[in-house]
Amino acid sequence: SQKIEQNSEALNIQEGKTATLTCNYTNYSPAYLQWYRQDPGRGPVFLLLIRENEKEKRKERLKVTFDTTLKQSLFHITASQPADSATYLCALEGSARQLTFGSGTQLTVLP
Amino acid sequence: EAGVAQSPRYKIIEKRQSVAFWCNPISGHATLYWYQQILGQGPKLLIQFQNNGVVDDSQLPKDRFSAERLKGVDSTLKIQPAKLEDSAVYLCASSLRLGLAGQETQYFGPGTRLLVL
Repeated sequence: SQKIEQNSEALNIQEGKTATLTCNYTNYSPAYLQWYRQDPGRGPVFLLLIRENEKEKRKERLKVTFDTTLKQSLFHITASQPADSATYLCALEGSARQLTFGSGTQLTVLP
Repeated sequence: EAGVAQSPRYKIIEKRQSVAFWCNPISGHATLYWYQQILGQGPKLLIQFQNNGVVDDSQLPKDRFSAERLKGVDSTLKIQPAKLEDSAVYLCASSLRLGLAGQETQYFGPGTRLLVL
């Protein structure tokens, strides 16, 4: 069956360090992969989209990689700040042509 | 640009009661989605509309859930009768058009938090 797995444990890092979040998937062949941010009590907010033929994409302090051989995407936040604390969700298109979300990784950046 | 609006923000009901949620998408967005997000999980798609037609409702529990999008703008999601396991956040999202789901940016509302007692 199709499955999306994100770091099951919450991630705590020190301010200024690079946070790296993982999204692994099985039984998908996505052409696109998206990352969203969700703050408590709010809906997810789109951050980045990466295509299968793109190895890496950057936006300000954010960097996403997409390895279709490993079936994995890595999401990096460089020079992390306490304001980056949130839950980060990866999402990709499944066989039913709908966007399917992972369960998210809760990131806390400690001052 | 105004975002996706949802109401109410919170709702507490007894099991077997009915409840309705309302969503107003971003102006001009043809596609509207309703998701259910259980605590600790990612959003799960319930139903997807293109204008006022249903594109996908394969994960909608049709014995108790219904949704409509009259005139291709606002949408209502109803649960009747509610069960304890329906306690979740119900998120509405919209996107500009129906393309490949993976390449469409979805814009989410704040959600309605439902507690069924």
